[in-house]
Amino acid sequence: DGGITQSPKYLFRKEGQNVTLSCEQNLNHDAMYWYRQDPGQGLRLIYYSQIVNDFQKGDIAEGYSVSREKKESFPLTVTSAQKNPTAFYLCASSSTGTVEDTQYFGPGTRLTVL
Amino acid sequence: DQQVKQNSPSLSVQEGRISILNCDYTNSMFDYFLWYKKYPAEGPTFLISISSIKDKNEDGRFTVFLNKSAKHLSLHIVPSQPGDSAVYFCAAGAGANNLFFGTGTRLTVIP
Repeated sequence: DGGITQSPKYLFRKEGQNVTLSCEQNLNHDAMYWYRQDPGQGLRLIYYSQIVNDFQKGDIAEGYSVSREKKESFPLTVTSAQKNPTAFYLCASSSTGTVEDTQYFGPGTRLTVL
Repeated sequence: DQQVKQNSPSLSVQEGRISILNCDYTNSMFDYFLWYKKYPAEGPTFLISISSIKDKNEDGRFTVFLNKSAKHLSLHIVPSQPGDSAVYFCAAGAGANNLFFGTGTRLTVIP
């Protein structure tokens, strides 16, 4: 069953704590992405990676960090420096990273910081 | 600065009628456009796309129209079905660059 998994579906953390969101894909895709969705806003790109051991900042990378040590995994850490971390986080992957390649999304993780 | 805009946050349509969702973009370099559909608490799923060399692309009940001079694209769903009720995002990009997403339009199809 190919696809993208994100865990957990809901996550609660206290203010000031770092938290890591998991994203795994078994589609053998080179490119992976992290987006954030807030009410009334579109998906905004946080970080993306087009190849293992390489990643680039998106539009709203401040307060976030990522790693890409394996092709199938692209975890996102929300650090205490992120001023407004409560949001719905979506991970996606695509074959090669060009816009013509369909991005496949995971089910998302809703992070609530208390 | 929002490069892709969906100015209608919501749309309600009777079952069987046509749904028209609109999207505007500002970057003339965009050459590929997509529509994604999203149900609550799920990730978006790809629906249909169009390259800038075309002005229309059709897939079953879904048709996307592109007007490059107006920097406008639209998604037509006909006939609309209750299962089409979802949030629809348009997205645009070029080459190896990233996609830019609109803010979404919530479509409600009334049985």
